[in-house]
Amino acid sequence: AQKVTQAQTEISVVEKEDVTLDCVYETRDTTYYLFWYKQPPSGELVFLIRRNSFDEQNEISGRYSWNFQKSTSSFNFTITASQVVDSAVYFCALSGNTGTASKLTFGTGTRLQVTL
Amino acid sequence: GAGVSQSPSNKVTEKGKDVELRCDPISGHTALYWYRQSLGQGLEFLIYFQGNSAPDKSGLPSDRFSAERTGGSVSTLTIQRTQQEDSAVYLCASSLRWGLAEGKDTQYFGPGTRLTVL
Repeated sequence: AQKVTQAQTEISVVEKEDVTLDCVYETRDTTYYLFWYKQPPSGELVFLIRRNSFDEQNEISGRYSWNFQKSTSSFNFTITASQVVDSAVYFCALSGNTGTASKLTFGTGTRLQVTL
Repeated sequence: GAGVSQSPSNKVTEKGKDVELRCDPISGHTALYWYRQSLGQGLEFLIYFQGNSAPDKSGLPSDRFSAERTGGSVSTLTIQRTQQEDSAVYLCASSLRWGLAEGKDTQYFGPGTRLTVL
């Protein structure tokens, strides 16, 4: 069975602070994909990044960066110089290569509150 | 281009009534998924369709739930004899194709339908 754990339920930071959202996953699949989605107050899930299990290169996109470490089964997400518009719930998700390959297993989400 | 659309955005119904929720995927996307988001259960997979293949119904919580996809495009999720525990946001997503094809299985979500069962 697949499992995604986001231990941080809620994080509050002041604008311009850096913040890291943790994601730990469990899977028996040899090939799998990891995702991050953002859910702003409007409710729509917005795709942020997709990462495959055989590519451990970290990725940076503007103020966002992702650190994938297979050895610790973690896929953490860092926002640099946070802004109020970053306030949202962030979900980490996993899909594998057995059974229903494209079915996403989500973590419980981390609510990020960025204040002035 | 247009994203995934869902209707209605909100639905209030009485316990025991049937409801239908609609999803229009992104044009050209062959895979379509339904998820449910509730306070107690988080985001959970319900069902997915890929082209003309038989759907994967492994996430449907009971036989009161069913879904169909007509013409490989629009999908309808039907909940019969609704119960209060069915209250949730029902999210639809689509992807270009299914499986772990590089980048083509990324799921894009619609705005959801908020269902309230009184």
